[in-house]
Amino acid sequence: GAVVSQHPSRVICKSGTSVKIECRSLDFQATTMFWYRQFPKQSLMLMATSNEGSKATYEQGVEKDKFLINHASLTLSTLTVTSAHPEDSSFYICSARDYTGTQETQYFGPGTRLLVL
Amino acid sequence: QQQVKQSPQSLIVQKGGISIINCAYENTAFDYFPWYQQFPGKGPALLIAIRPDVSEKKEGRFTISFNKSAKQFSLHIMDSQPGDSATYFCAALESGGYQKVTFGIGTKLQVIP
Repeated sequence: GAVVSQHPSRVICKSGTSVKIECRSLDFQATTMFWYRQFPKQSLMLMATSNEGSKATYEQGVEKDKFLINHASLTLSTLTVTSAHPEDSSFYICSARDYTGTQETQYFGPGTRLLVL
Repeated sequence: QQQVKQSPQSLIVQKGGISIINCAYENTAFDYFPWYQQFPGKGPALLIAIRPDVSEKKEGRFTISFNKSAKQFSLHIMDSQPGDSATYFCAALESGGYQKVTFGIGTKLQVIP
């Protein structure tokens, strides 16, 4: 299947700093990528939909000024957690939509573990 | 509002047994139902998926059963193995458009030798 990578896989930062997480589709172009957040032993919660060349669409309750999303190319979307606080500590997962013309599939990245001290 | 209800939340099955996870949905606009397998510290991986025009789909030891009228679907893992121990998420989405995936709460499966 298609491969989606995330970088970094794990990051520890001090409270008040900003952290950027990259999501790349390695062998296909993705006009749409999604960012999820997952707390321990819980399901994935969609944060936002990232569309190449346009503004991201955020889910209700997600602060767009805190979680900045940029989808500058067909293979790269970034999520920047600005002024991170301990409550932002979580597992962040991206996914990318692969459309072949006859079938659509969504592939997930390996996730990024963020710990804010 | 939980649009996809999944049960049980945890499941222990002996090696060689059948693991069964059930899901129910409310939104009749959903037309694609994937199952994902997630190991600790990893992202979800697509396991198997079904569309509502079929009642069953089988891939190896994994089978999805789909009941459109009841708006329910289930995953059966035959001959369960310790390596199948993971968290399984059912999901639903409207294909086309922006394909937002709605996940169930997840089922932690433990297959014991």
